[in-house]
Order: sequence, then C-alpha cells, then structure tokens
Amino acid sequence: LAKTTQPISMDSYEGQEVNITCSHNNIATNDYITWYQQFPSQGPRFIIQGYKTKVTNEVASLFIPADRKSSTLSLPRVSLSDTAVYYCLVGDTGGFKTIFGAGTRLFVKA
Amino acid sequence: GAVVSQHPSWVICKSGTSVKIECRSLDFQATTMFWYRQFPKQSLMLMATSNEGSKATYEQGVEKDKFLINHASLTLSTLTVTSAHPEDSSFYICSARDHAAPNYGYTFGSGTRLTVV
Repeated sequence: LAKTTQPISMDSYEGQEVNITCSHNNIATNDYITWYQQFPSQGPRFIIQGYKTKVTNEVASLFIPADRKSSTLSLPRVSLSDTAVYYCLVGDTGGFKTIFGAGTRLFVKA
Repeated sequence: GAVVSQHPSWVICKSGTSVKIECRSLDFQATTMFWYRQFPKQSLMLMATSNEGSKATYEQGVEKDKFLINHASLTLSTLTVTSAHPEDSSFYICSARDHAAPNYGYTFGSGTRLTVV
C-alpha cells in the first residue's frame, strides 16, 4: 500500500481556490488516487477519484502529473462549510484495504 | 449513490458490558466491509476487514476477542465491543464498496460514538 504525505493543515478565506497536494512516491501501476472529506463526528465522504491527468466533478478537480507520484485536490471558491479534514488515499479499485494517512485540516475563514 | 447505514449513532454503556454496532449496505451487496476507530483529532485507524461468510481479518494490535465481528449476510456486518472499558470510548466507523460503481470509492457509515462510563 502506497504511503501518502499531506500538509497537516491549511488556512484559506471564503471565495478562494484551495489546492491540497498529496505525495505518494511509491504508487503502484494499478493504484488510483481517491480523496475524501470528513466533518467532525461524521464518516468520510468521497470527493473525487482519478488515475492520471485531470479529473473534474461538480465539487472539485484532481490534478495528477505524468509520474503520478503526487496529486493535487483543487477546491474552487471555498466556503465556510468546506472546513474539514481532507484525506488522500492510494490503492487499486479492487483492493479492500483502505489505509488513512493523517489528512489535511482545512480552515476556511470569513 | 451507494448508502451505508450505521447504528446506533451514539451509545453510552457501563464498564464491563458489551455493545453491538450495526453496519448495513442499503442499496448494494458488500462481500467485504471495514471497521475503523477514530480518536479525537486523529485519523481513522483500520481495525479489521469483515468478510461475508468467513472470519474477519484483524489488523495488528487489535484484539479479536474483544472486538467481535460478524458478517452474516451480504448487507450486514456487526461489531461487538465486549467487556467495554473507558479506553474503548471512541468513534467507530464502517465502510463498504459498491463494486458496481468502482469509480466512487468507498462509502462510509455516519459513525458511532461510543462512551464507556
């Protein structure tokens, strides 16, 4: 299982774009990159998943360079309600062990 | 999308008693479910992998006799904390994957806050 490294915390202001980068130097060929969001006293919620290049959905974008050793979650125009912990996970879609790293605590200020 | 229902959302029990937590996949079948424990301001720690029709696989350091896992059907896994002690107080979360939608990661339950007094 590829180990991931993320910044412990980040601060932002409402309306700004937030980019959270995750390092996963030993990512395997079959591994996908998945990001989750967790609010206090709730289970994590799926945000986005990708394998290479760029993936975009209604809430975020995921940028993955050609070497796939890192990825960046981009949250456009954050609001106060985006204050949460964001986790980057790496694994294959058929695998069944999801190991969480420390995550990134995002604080969005007014 | 896939939904995982977890009950109860919170429970308070006395030391020495046992508590059962249920995890159900509502609209998909889950041959495998996962149980996590999370202490305040810490990340999720994988406790065990629950396998339908067979024994659970426990992570290193997790006592299988204390945390009993049963996965009797394709939609239900239960975690029983036996002889609970205050140090077992934590936030317990289950998850499962809908293999019909592999691009949407794992779906997590809403968690169970266990307080042992």
